[in-house]
Amino acid sequence: GENVEQHPSTLSVQEGDSAVIKCTYSDSASNYFPWYKQELGKGPQLIIDIRSNVGEKKDQRIAVTLNKTAKHFSLHITETQPEDSAVYFCAASGYGNNRLAFGKGNQVVVIP
Amino acid sequence: GAGVSQSPSNKVTEKGKDVELRCDPISGHTALYWYRQSLGQGLEFLIYFQGNSAPDKSGLPSDRFSAERTGGSVSTLTIQRTQQEDSAVYLCASSLVGESSYNEQFFGPGTRLTVL
Repeated sequence: GENVEQHPSTLSVQEGDSAVIKCTYSDSASNYFPWYKQELGKGPQLIIDIRSNVGEKKDQRIAVTLNKTAKHFSLHITETQPEDSAVYFCAASGYGNNRLAFGKGNQVVVIP
Repeated sequence: GAGVSQSPSNKVTEKGKDVELRCDPISGHTALYWYRQSLGQGLEFLIYFQGNSAPDKSGLPSDRFSAERTGGSVSTLTIQRTQQEDSAVYLCASSLVGESSYNEQFFGPGTRLTVL
């Protein structure tokens, strides 16, 4: 099955700086890669996703890049704000497979 | 509209007792998932229901865990003879499975289970 690696660590950034989180996956058949944001005491919420027919997708201050050859994808948050502080999870799945494999999450702390 | 709801929000039980966790998915969503999130860990897949198809139970960690979905809507996750290692947040998600197989999973707030 799919194995998604996302090092569980805390990423601290100054407000206004950029944050980058990287994930790797093992199954070359995977072609759907969502990112979820989880705030304290809440369930994860989808913030952006990318499919393997594109290399980059952007939504305001958030962008995701995908390198299928290297089997890694990254989340980029620009102009970070205190409300960006949360745990971010990456995930992967294949076409027709609704079962998502999640990474272990990154704690992002934005310092005002 | 209403999102995914779960009850109870917190459950404290004694080792050896049975517990039932409830999930109400978004109305009209045909797919329902249960995940377990242990402290500092990612989401561990437990079970997946899709319409009237047989559920994918491949993630259930032991035969003490079971789940059912009645009427294609509400789901109950049951843990029998709870152990301390069962302590975790249990998350439920639902999605609308349409022509595209890339369907966003909407998560509930979770049930925090503590086994003493």
